[in-house]
Amino acid sequence: DTGVSQNPRHKITKRGQNVTFRCDPISEHNRLYWYRQTLGQGPEFLTYFQNEAQLEKSRLLSDRFSAERPKGSFSTLEIQRTEQGDSAMYLCASSLGTTGDSPLHFGNGTRLTVT
Amino acid sequence: GENVEQHPSTLSVQEGDSAVIKCTYSDSASNYFPWYKQELGKRPQLIIDIRSNVGEKKDQRIAVTLNKTAKHFSLHITETQPEDSAVYFCAAAPLYNFNKFYFGSGTKLNVKP
Repeated sequence: DTGVSQNPRHKITKRGQNVTFRCDPISEHNRLYWYRQTLGQGPEFLTYFQNEAQLEKSRLLSDRFSAERPKGSFSTLEIQRTEQGDSAMYLCASSLGTTGDSPLHFGNGTRLTVT
Repeated sequence: GENVEQHPSTLSVQEGDSAVIKCTYSDSASNYFPWYKQELGKRPQLIIDIRSNVGEKKDQRIAVTLNKTAKHFSLHITETQPEDSAVYFCAAAPLYNFNKFYFGSGTKLNVKP
């Protein structure tokens, strides 16, 4: 399967714990995105990488959230001191191109439940 | 920033009928408009997209229309089938920031056999 891969699929954690998610984009894609999706809503932009550089972060991304993309390949999203409001589906997407209108290819997401 | 509104939130049609989902956007600088289909527990998948230099695009039973003046675009599905049942999301990407896609809240389409 050459699609976007995310791990784990599900994560249940207690409030206050740290969690880390991983995303492996389509290999030739230079852009990688993290989105968050809550029930009944569309995906909301969190952050974006062009190769290894993190070029934009949403105001939704508090200082408890950090994302990295070392060497411009896979990416990790870490949430520190999780809160119940962090419960959501975290979607990773990648795209290819130097122009802006390249479609996003999404992974299956990581569903986070904070108890 | 951009604001995308999507209607209706739920849509139920009989198999074989047509379905229309409408989206409006606020930023006149948006010029890329993809549509995604998300089945339960699965990833959103691109089904069709349109750029602002085009008014209509078709792909078999699916079509998208764009009215830049009115800032709205619509998804049309003809001859609906039960496998079309899913949540559909529209999105808009501003010219000055293609890297940020703004999504609508989704339409749950139910096609009754």
